[in-house]
Amino acid sequence: AQKVTQAQTEISVVEKEDVTLDCVYETRDTTYYLFWYKQPPSGELVFLIRRNSFDEQNEISGRYSWNFQKSTSSFNFTITASQVVDSAVYFCALSNNQGGKLIFGQGTELSVKP
Amino acid sequence: EAQVTQNPRYLITVTGKKLTVTCSQNMNHEYMSWYRQDPGLGLRQIYYSMNVEVTDKGDVPEGYKVSRKEKRNFPLILESPSPNQTSLYFCASSLGTGGNYEQYFGPGTRLTVT
Repeated sequence: AQKVTQAQTEISVVEKEDVTLDCVYETRDTTYYLFWYKQPPSGELVFLIRRNSFDEQNEISGRYSWNFQKSTSSFNFTITASQVVDSAVYFCALSNNQGGKLIFGQGTELSVKP
Repeated sequence: EAQVTQNPRYLITVTGKKLTVTCSQNMNHEYMSWYRQDPGLGLRQIYYSMNVEVTDKGDVPEGYKVSRKEKRNFPLILESPSPNQTSLYFCASSLGTGGNYEQYFGPGTRLTVT
């Protein structure tokens, strides 16, 4: 069975702090995809990144970076120098290569205070 | 503009009163699905459709119906809504199945059943 666990329900930081959101996944598939989505207070889902299981290179996009480690089944997301606009719920998700279903984690609510 | 639209965006209704939430995409996508989002549970798939006239149950289909008579539309029907169906609903579409296809999410429909 596939499963995604985001153990951190809520995180609160002060602006300019770095913060890491954890994501641990379970799957028996050899080919799979991992995602991160952001849900700001307005409610829509914003796609941040997709990573396939064969690409373990870390990725950096501005203040965002992702650390994919198959050995620990983790796909963690770090925000460097956090800003108030980063306040949102962040979801990690998993998909296999056959179906279109995304398996979501429970979400982590990040609050960045000025 | 490529998009997934949902209507209504907000709905308050009473137990037992049939309702339909519409979903439409303008990208000629084959795959469409519905998710519900509940606190602490993330998003869970309700139903999905691989193509016109092909629909199947997701993880939480009880109390819902769907239809796919046209490629662009995938309405979600609640024949007899109950308070446990109070949730935030998202429609999504993608060109195909498999995690290598980007999923596009609608803006969400917040449903309250009293």
